[in-house]
Amino acid sequence: NAGVTQTPKFRVLKTGQSMTLLCAQDMNHEYMYWYRQDPGMGLRLIHYSVGEGTTAKGEVPDGYNVSRLKKQNFLLGLESAAPSQTSVYFCASSYFAGGTSYNEQFFGPGTRLTVL
Amino acid sequence: RKEVEQDPGPFNVPEGATVAFNCTYSNSASQSFFWYRQDCRKEPKLLMSVYSSGNEDGRFTAQLNRASQYISLLIRDSKLSDSATYLCVVTKSYNTDKLIFGTGTRLQVFP
Repeated sequence: NAGVTQTPKFRVLKTGQSMTLLCAQDMNHEYMYWYRQDPGMGLRLIHYSVGEGTTAKGEVPDGYNVSRLKKQNFLLGLESAAPSQTSVYFCASSYFAGGTSYNEQFFGPGTRLTVL
Repeated sequence: RKEVEQDPGPFNVPEGATVAFNCTYSNSASQSFFWYRQDCRKEPKLLMSVYSSGNEDGRFTAQLNRASQYISLLIRDSKLSDSATYLCVVTKSYNTDKLIFGTGTRLQVFP
């Protein structure tokens, strides 16, 4: 049981290049999330998905696109990378959240992206 | 004002010490509260949820004060392995899965 995995672990891009970050989970979770973490700031939600085929914008969606074609995978795309997108990107998943109940979010190990 | 505010620290304490962290949140509609732990260059992991009545898990005690909108974490008998960053996390509002993360408080336990 691998939990949440992310590929790649590290990447260096030049301004204007594109790339896709892959997140995979084997826990049959409905909800998946992409966050970015920058020094001095908390994790910020980029996009999320409440189920296969659905996606929604989070707090900082500009410059990113996502797709959830399969329940277990959530892809984050950067179409034209900018230095401001240099960050650590975390994917997370959870069973379901609703009402006052809450289910733990499980995080992947992160992708360290540098845009030159 | 940040939605979740924490003292960034670092808190440097000797082994065996008791240390407490506080966090304040701005949205009175937030319903669920948590402490996550993040080791250096690793992913966050849930440490414990925080309940209105307060709750304890071994050496860790969490408290919630809804009236003052603050959350606390107390660590007793600190271990070297407790060295990490502790993230205060709240749900954005009622009936939502969206989480708001504080920037974290760094704890360093020394021998």
